[in-house]
Amino acid sequence: NAGVTQTPKFRVLKTGQSMTLLCAQDMNHEYMYWYRQDPGMGLRLIHYSVGEGTTAKGEVPDGYNVSRLKKQNFLLGLESAAPSQTSVYFCASSGEDTQYFGPGTRLTVL
Amino acid sequence: KQEVTQIPAALSVPEGENLVLNCSFTDSAIYNLQWFRQDPGKGLTSLLLIQSSQREQTSGRLNASLDKSSGRSTLYIAASQPGDSATYLCAVSHNFNKFYFGSGTKLNVKP
Repeated sequence: NAGVTQTPKFRVLKTGQSMTLLCAQDMNHEYMYWYRQDPGMGLRLIHYSVGEGTTAKGEVPDGYNVSRLKKQNFLLGLESAAPSQTSVYFCASSGEDTQYFGPGTRLTVL
Repeated sequence: KQEVTQIPAALSVPEGENLVLNCSFTDSAIYNLQWFRQDPGKGLTSLLLIQSSQREQTSGRLNASLDKSSGRSTLYIAASQPGDSATYLCAVSHNFNKFYFGSGTKLNVKP
């Protein structure tokens, strides 16, 4: 039982490049989330999903897209990376209450 | 919009001391409140979850209380240990879809 895993752990991009972050969970959770964490600002919700095939915008969705084609996977895409997207990205999943977090992806955009 | 504030931002205490971390929120119509622990370079680990109908939850040396009407929660840590050193975050939700996090309290317990 791996819980929530994220790929990759680290990435450096140049401005304008694209990439996809992968989140996988093996707990059969309906709900999945993508957050970003910046110094002094806590975690902010980017997008979330309430089930396979569904996605919704969170607090800071601009510049990101997501897909949930399979229940266990939640993908976060950056189509044209900007330095403002330098951050640590966390994925989480939940049943009805407690959220379980992945280890994070540290992304730097130069 | 929900605003979650945690005070203090950082706290340093000697080993063995009892301590209280504070969390306040502006919109009291919450579904639940959670306290998390985050170690450097790691993800978040859930410590305690309090449903909106509950007043407190306990786990070992940790006790979390919730006063929904005043928009406050406290995390009490008894007999602190160096292994308790981490950042503690609180988060509130209005349903099971959206969570709002505070910026955390960084705790250092000195041996």
